[in-house]
Amino acid sequence: QVHLQESGPGLVRPSETLSLACDVSGYSISSGYYWGWIRQPPGRGLEWIATMYHSGNNYNNPSLRSRVSMSVDTSKNQFSLKLYSVTAADTAVYYCARQNLTINRGVMHSWFDVWGQGTLVTVSS
Amino acid sequence: QSVLTQPPSMSAAPGQKVTISCSGSSSNIGRNYISWYQQFPGTAPKVLIYENNKRFSGIPDRFSGSKSGTSATLGITGLQTGDEAEYYCGTWDTSLSLWVFGGGTKLTVL
Repeated sequence: QVHLQESGPGLVRPSETLSLACDVSGYSISSGYYWGWIRQPPGRGLEWIATMYHSGNNYNNPSLRSRVSMSVDTSKNQFSLKLYSVTAADTAVYYCARQNLTINRGVMHSWFDVWGQGTLVTVSS
Repeated sequence: QSVLTQPPSMSAAPGQKVTISCSGSSSNIGRNYISWYQQFPGTAPKVLIYENNKRFSGIPDRFSGSKSGTSATLGITGLQTGDEAEYYCGTWDTSLSLWVFGGGTKLTVL
């Protein structure tokens, strides 16, 4: 059974860097699938942040692209997110997820099939 | 404001059927496959439907998905109180190069 678990600080100061890791168990990251981050501000809807393949192919939310860095560490079977220069607007529950993603004749087939439990990150001084 | 439009809330009685709509455009729903997610308060979303109308493993056949043009629908029959949750649609927007979620629909089973 595939299990994803987020980890990282629950409190980040404004202007600093939010760093989260997602440990994957029950499946080898290097075997396939894409891996993504989604966040949800308190009381609000879901917002996709970024998606990455273990070989480096990646997609980022254009509104966050300049502040986002995502990486995959196959040796640890883990992938990570860094969000730079955070503000209070970045306060949210952050989820990591496994993403099915294929593109066939320009049509994207994609969905998130396994999610972590989520971790609340608060940006405050 | 979400790229995909869902009704903020819906309600129905136990045993009834409900259809939740998700409206988009030619660059998202009209072009790519859509998925649907169910989220209970304080928990992570879980996928119900993928590739427009395929039920994910373990999802009962009370849940169904369909797509027509630039809109999609999640259907739930035989409503149960345990179906009270937030439901989100999601797909890739080719023009925006962005994965988009609908704003979510809070379903109340009265």
